Amino acid sequence: KAGVTQTPRYLIKTRGQQVTLSCSPISGHRSVSWYQQTPGQGLQFLFEYFSETQRNKGNFPGRFSGRQFSNSRSEMNVSTLELGDSALYLCASSETGPSYNEQFFGPGTRLTVL
Amino acid sequence: AQTVTQSQPEMSVQEAETVTLSCTYDTSESNYYLFWYKQPPSRQMILVIRQEAYKQQNATENRFSVNFQKAAKSFSLKISDSQLGDTAMYFCAFIVSGSARQLTFGSGTQLTVLP
Repeated sequence: KAGVTQTPRYLIKTRGQQVTLSCSPISGHRSVSWYQQTPGQGLQFLFEYFSETQRNKGNFPGRFSGRQFSNSRSEMNVSTLELGDSALYLCASSETGPSYNEQFFGPGTRLTVL
Repeated sequence: AQTVTQSQPEMSVQEAETVTLSCTYDTSESNYYLFWYKQPPSRQMILVIRQEAYKQQNATENRFSVNFQKAAKSFSLKISDSQLGDTAMYFCAFIVSGSARQLTFGSGTQLTVLP
């Protein structure tokens, strides 16, 4: 099976702009989670989508949003970019059994806000 | 809320030797999973090993093993016969069993294997 893919891999934006990142999960995985990784805050959970519904959300402002499509692909959007949004954004997909929680990560999108 | 603490920001080990990375966590949950992830310079997060909290037996994957002490809320990773390719940032992570897929990560330990 192909792994989790994320596009684009690198992105440079300026403050105030908005950005959309894409994540394609492993075939058959219906849960997609997003994480932000920064040197200062480490790895932080953004949100999780399952069956096109946001099931869980981390402590991030409303500028961060996402969605999931019927094929389980997910996008996350950040509006009104700030310098502090510069980070590696990782998505992870997983199966949806009642107890099996292993998440498989994509290579990440490196966002730089100037 | 769950917290994961890794108190060793950096460690180094000679090639072929053994090293242990420490992790402690705090939770009031009884059913959960613990993981060690490896993030090499490529930034790809790779699962190294997982442990189900209800299992007494420590997990082992080839050269990687854990020492899971549930009462002490401790979850250390032992790497035997260290190889240069083991150089990476290692993250301890926690997740509550159930439908949510929210991993809580520690701050990471940068491991360098020296030739």
